[in-house]
Amino acid sequence: GAVVSQHPSWVICKSGTSVKIECRSLDFQATTMFWYRQFPKQSLMLMATSNEGSKATYEQGVEKDKFLINHASLTLSTLTVTSAHPEDSSFYICSASKSLSTDTQYFGPGTRLTVL
Amino acid sequence: DAKTTQPPSMDCAEGRAANLPCNHSTISGNEYVYWYRQIHSQGPQYIIHGLKNNETNEMASLIITEDRKSSTLILPHATLRDTAVYYCIVRSNTGKLIFGQGTTLQVKP
Repeated sequence: GAVVSQHPSWVICKSGTSVKIECRSLDFQATTMFWYRQFPKQSLMLMATSNEGSKATYEQGVEKDKFLINHASLTLSTLTVTSAHPEDSSFYICSASKSLSTDTQYFGPGTRLTVL
Repeated sequence: DAKTTQPPSMDCAEGRAANLPCNHSTISGNEYVYWYRQIHSQGPQYIIHGLKNNETNEMASLIITEDRKSSTLILPHATLRDTAVYYCIVRSNTGKLIFGQGTTLQVKP
């Protein structure tokens, strides 16, 4: 149990376009989902926390208008990178938990974004 | 949020136990210690977590000191597939996981 999937696993796009990444909890209902970003040879950096049916909470320094997060159901959250630029190229990883403060986070396999 | 300190790298012989230490001296009484690992280019994999008592599951054992200021993750019989970056994280009351640099464990044949 506790399987989280992401789609796509990798994507290449042109500068200025938008890219949507999906995160799904396959065998449990996720009240809370998290989005992380990881640059090469670095650790994961938390970008935002999203609770089903409410607005996401972004970490300091993360532009909410650039990284749009939607968590419309208990099994799906999406991250849209708007007007992507080469510096947005990174490994984007989501995680999901049944509740915010008490349950284990399970991570998806990640999405590799390359912006040309 | 409580921070953790881990050695940047460790080696372990295949078949031997791997003991990965973690210091979390500022941990609060109700904060859990979580361990994850990340194999190259994959999402982190949950290993184990604990609050006060030692814990064991099919993957590993977690030993937490009585004062809770440090812990050790034990992989009883390391295999080559256990080569990964291991993260020790104190989960805040907000539920967030703040990742440090972790320990790169290299299991050698």
